[in-house]
Amino acid sequence: RKEVEQDPGPFNVPEGATVAFNCTYSNSASQSFFWYRQDCRKEPKLLMSVYSSGNEDGRFTAQLNRASQYISLLIRDSKLSDSATYLCVALTGANNLFFGTGTRLTVIP
Amino acid sequence: SAVISQKPSRDICQRGTSLTIQCQVDSQVTMMFWYRQQPGQSLTLIATANQGSEATYESGFVIDKFPISRPNLTFSTLTVSNMSPEDSSIYLCSAETGALYGYTFGSGTRLTVV
Repeated sequence: RKEVEQDPGPFNVPEGATVAFNCTYSNSASQSFFWYRQDCRKEPKLLMSVYSSGNEDGRFTAQLNRASQYISLLIRDSKLSDSATYLCVALTGANNLFFGTGTRLTVIP
Repeated sequence: SAVISQKPSRDICQRGTSLTIQCQVDSQVTMMFWYRQQPGQSLTLIATANQGSEATYESGFVIDKFPISRPNLTFSTLTVSNMSPEDSSIYLCSAETGALYGYTFGSGTRLTVV
């Protein structure tokens, strides 16, 4: 079983839509979680960290459910520029990062 | 946030040769990481590089194939040795650059072995 699993998509949504991605992790000892954004042929870039209480950054909201071992990312009012692959990442132990395969999002005009 | 400069950005190499990838961080970092990402797949950790000690390799990766140097707290190299077409991939370096910024990545090296 993979450490981090996420639906690869693709998710094709119209501009202005709300879209949600879920991700599950297998290691209950994982202590920190992140969402990264990766544009085509570019390196991953940190979108946001995910805290137990949930956190919001503008149109983006991340939630963590430790009991069910899943993480979610909600994007409201989607923009064309949101089109990218979103990577779910779990940190276990000292600097052991586990990446999901990514969920591809395409926002359509 | 920190900036990591990685080069070369891409290369096409003959099988049997070696390529060294360099990463320079604009601040001192304790640990640097080297990843491989094959098309449509997730990032796979190759090894963790600490300054002043040998790198720690993940299962499936060995020092003879992927020697790593970490001469100081801002620089690291990864060499892909005796390349074969199966080594064609994107190679990325990374470092933890603070709790606020998480892990920062270099821009990647797209390697094609022919």
